[in-house]
Amino acid sequence: DTAVSQTPKYLVTQMGNDKSIKCEQNLGHDTMYWYKQDSKKFLKIMFSYNNKELIINETVPNRFSPKSPDKAHLNLHINSLELGDSAVYFCASSQGLAQSTDTQYFGPGTRLTVL
Amino acid sequence: GENVEQHPSTLSVQEGDSAVIKCTYSDSASNYFPWYKQELGKRPQLIIDIRSNVGEKKDQRIAVTLNKTAKHFSLHITETQPEDSAVYFCAASKMGGGNKLTFGTGTQLKVEL
Repeated sequence: DTAVSQTPKYLVTQMGNDKSIKCEQNLGHDTMYWYKQDSKKFLKIMFSYNNKELIINETVPNRFSPKSPDKAHLNLHINSLELGDSAVYFCASSQGLAQSTDTQYFGPGTRLTVL
Repeated sequence: GENVEQHPSTLSVQEGDSAVIKCTYSDSASNYFPWYKQELGKRPQLIIDIRSNVGEKKDQRIAVTLNKTAKHFSLHITETQPEDSAVYFCAASKMGGGNKLTFGTGTQLKVEL
């Protein structure tokens, strides 16, 4: 009965590869997010989607492309991986409109290591 | 954009003592201030939040205070226990801002026996 789930939990890959991380929430929430947590633990938002519509795009390189097939899923595809992409990526979701300030619930994270 | 500063970066207390973590924010329009606890290798989990229409909120051993005039808010943990050891993050967001959470840089709390 996991609320926000991500796959895979760990991802180790070579520079230049393309990879995807999947996120699903079963809370019935309308808004989903991707955050990046770097090696210093700093958490920074990357994207948010509300009902499949992109709301926030925080100056993320266009090698990162989020895709939301429906409001319960938000996937993150990364092209041409670089060393600096190594981080933990967290998916999150919240209930209401993207313009509200509803509580965000985080997934377990995906630790991406680029070699 | 919003900027959230958090202090201290590390905090070590004896079990049973109190711990206080402080944050300041820059955008006076911010009106929602959650606190997240992140244990090693785990996801951030909400422990308490406060909205700008109140100055204080308490939940058992945890309390948060907000001073809108000074644009700062604080987390207070009383009677600390070893299981309180974790990284704590403050954050801020505002209505109409896409529910974008701007996080502080985190405080590593260690509760020693």
